[in-house]
Amino acid sequence: GENVEQHPSTLSVQEGDSAVIKCTYSDSASNYFPWYKQELGKGPQLIIDIRSNVGEKKDQRIAVTLNKTAKHFSLHITETQPEDSAVYFCAARGQLSADGLTFGKGTHLIIQP
Amino acid sequence: NAGVTQTPKFQVLKTGQSMTLQCAQDMNHEYMSWYRQDPGMGLRLIHYSVGAGITDQGEVPNGYNVSRSTTEDFPLRLLSAAPSQTSVYFCASQSDRGQPQHFGDGTRLSIL
Repeated sequence: GENVEQHPSTLSVQEGDSAVIKCTYSDSASNYFPWYKQELGKGPQLIIDIRSNVGEKKDQRIAVTLNKTAKHFSLHITETQPEDSAVYFCAARGQLSADGLTFGKGTHLIIQP
Repeated sequence: NAGVTQTPKFQVLKTGQSMTLQCAQDMNHEYMSWYRQDPGMGLRLIHYSVGAGITDQGEVPNGYNVSRSTTEDFPLRLLSAAPSQTSVYFCASQSDRGQPQHFGDGTRLSIL
């Protein structure tokens, strides 16, 4: 089955700086890669996703890049703000998989004022 | 505009007790899933359903049962609770396999 590795587990950045979270996956047939933000006491909320036929996707301050050859995808947050503090999860889903997503173990992003 | 609703939000059980975690969605989504979240482990898939009357096992199904009698509801049953099942449980739905999953706010379950 799919295996997703996520790094780092904790990331602390100064407000206004950029943050980058990286994930690798094992199943070369995986074709859908969402990123979720989870705030304390809440369920994960989708913030951006990318499919295997696209190399990069951007939504305001958030961008995701995908390198299919290296089986690697990353979340980039620019101009970080205090409300960006949360736990972020990457995930992957195989092309033929009818089941749910395989998640990374999460990154706790801390924005220092 | 409720989305995915999970009840209860909190529950404490004794070892050996049974209970059902409820999940309902009002988006007419065919796909529904149950995950558990443990510290440092991310979310792990327990069971999923691709439509009413159809369920299948995920990564960690032991100790849990599910059924899907309607499109809207996907309850998760613990037949004999064990301390290892202490966790936060999330239900999710999606319109089809290629679409994003929408999560509820979770049920925090403690087994003593």
